[in-house]
Amino acid sequence: EVQLVESGGGVVRPGGSLRLSCAASGFTFDDYGMSWVRQAPGKGLEWVSGINWNGGSTGYADSVKGRFTISRDNAKNSLYLQMNSLRAEDTALYHCARDVEYSGYDSWGQGTLVTVSS
Amino acid sequence: AIRMTQSPSSFSASTGDRVTITCRASQGISSYLAWYQQKPGKAPKLLIYAASTLQSGVPSRFSGSGSGTDFTLTISCLQSEDFATYYCQQYYSYPVTFGGGTKVEIK
Repeated sequence: EVQLVESGGGVVRPGGSLRLSCAASGFTFDDYGMSWVRQAPGKGLEWVSGINWNGGSTGYADSVKGRFTISRDNAKNSLYLQMNSLRAEDTALYHCARDVEYSGYDSWGQGTLVTVSS
Repeated sequence: AIRMTQSPSSFSASTGDRVTITCRASQGISSYLAWYQQKPGKAPKLLIYAASTLQSGVPSRFSGSGSGTDFTLTISCLQSEDFATYYCQQYYSYPVTFGGGTKVEIK
């Protein structure tokens, strides 16, 4: 069974940093691209960042470009999101998702909550 | 970035109804479109990818169509478990973008 479990969320002050992790199991991790998608309270889905199978290609939403960095460790079956210079508008539930090439995101974690507040 | 516009943003329907949700891309995306269902407190669930391919395990009452800029999600006979919010997503190019969502409520 495919499992994605996020961790690392919490409360942080504006300008602070957090590192999110996503532990993957139940599939061959380095066969897939991965993405982070967030959802602010009561709002819709917003794609944050994506990475291909070996980390050689990454992409970011304009809203986080230059502040967030996606990475992966295939030996540890883990995906990461380093978030710097956090803003109130980054407050959201952050999901990791498995990216099936040309086929959407077929598995999602339950998310980790990030709250940016003074 | 490619903008995805869904309509309507919400509506009420009854079980047994046939419902259609539309999604329009601000530029052509071929068939690189997915539809997701999300229920409160849950992660999104993939329903359809490549505009019209049903994800494994998804009931056949769900169907998708379209290519280029205009897409539709149809639920042929609405069931109680289908009351949820639906999102389209383009994965034609980075940045990936989602539509604003369509909430289907019980009439």
